[in-house]
Amino acid sequence: SAVISQKPSRDICQRGTSLTIQCQVDSQVTMMFWYRQQPGQSLTLIATANQGSEATYESGFVIDKFPISRPNLTFSTLTVSNMSPEDSSIYLCSVGQGASNQPQHFGDGTRLSIL
Amino acid sequence: AQSVTQLGSHVSVSEGALVLLRCNYSSSVPPYLFWYVQYPNQGLQLLLKYTSAATLVKGINGFEAEFKKSETSFHLTKPSAHMSDAAEYFCAVRPSFGNEKLTFGTGTRLTIIP
Repeated sequence: SAVISQKPSRDICQRGTSLTIQCQVDSQVTMMFWYRQQPGQSLTLIATANQGSEATYESGFVIDKFPISRPNLTFSTLTVSNMSPEDSSIYLCSVGQGASNQPQHFGDGTRLSIL
Repeated sequence: AQSVTQLGSHVSVSEGALVLLRCNYSSSVPPYLFWYVQYPNQGLQLLLKYTSAATLVKGINGFEAEFKKSETSFHLTKPSAHMSDAAEYFCAVRPSFGNEKLTFGTGTRLTIIP
């Protein structure tokens, strides 16, 4: 399976600032996804990062708050903008090859705390 | 929309005992099902998957799961628990047609008692 590297692994940020999380994959992948995992909760899909076009956001998530880039088939970034304590979560990058019977694979996540 | 339900947010078993983590899905057509494990401070690791081949699926670390259409279940089992199995376990579902997203259950935290 693909090796997925996320940076940073954790960060503590001030309220009102923004942080960009990077996701690098060691092979070309069709699909890249960004998830949020709030403390003690399951995973919620934020958006699907599409190569060469705008990301597709899930209900409750907007581009102004979570801008996403995907310049090529191995890299994506998620920015958490104008952060508040409610944004304290684990943010996970995931990749897949687009086939329903194939699993998605996950990076180790970015643990974000907002003061 | 399809979904998965994981019964029991916390499960505790003694070291060496049987591990049983429950997952039920709701779907009119048998979907694809996955079990993931999340160790502390790590991402999700795939344990096993059901993709309409054999109904008894063997995964990593001695885990296996059986797809039962009549019960709409995909429970995860391991005959003998190890201390290293302590983690959060997530069941996930995706339709067997189309290009729908993966939907996760709420997770089960497994604690192993020495």
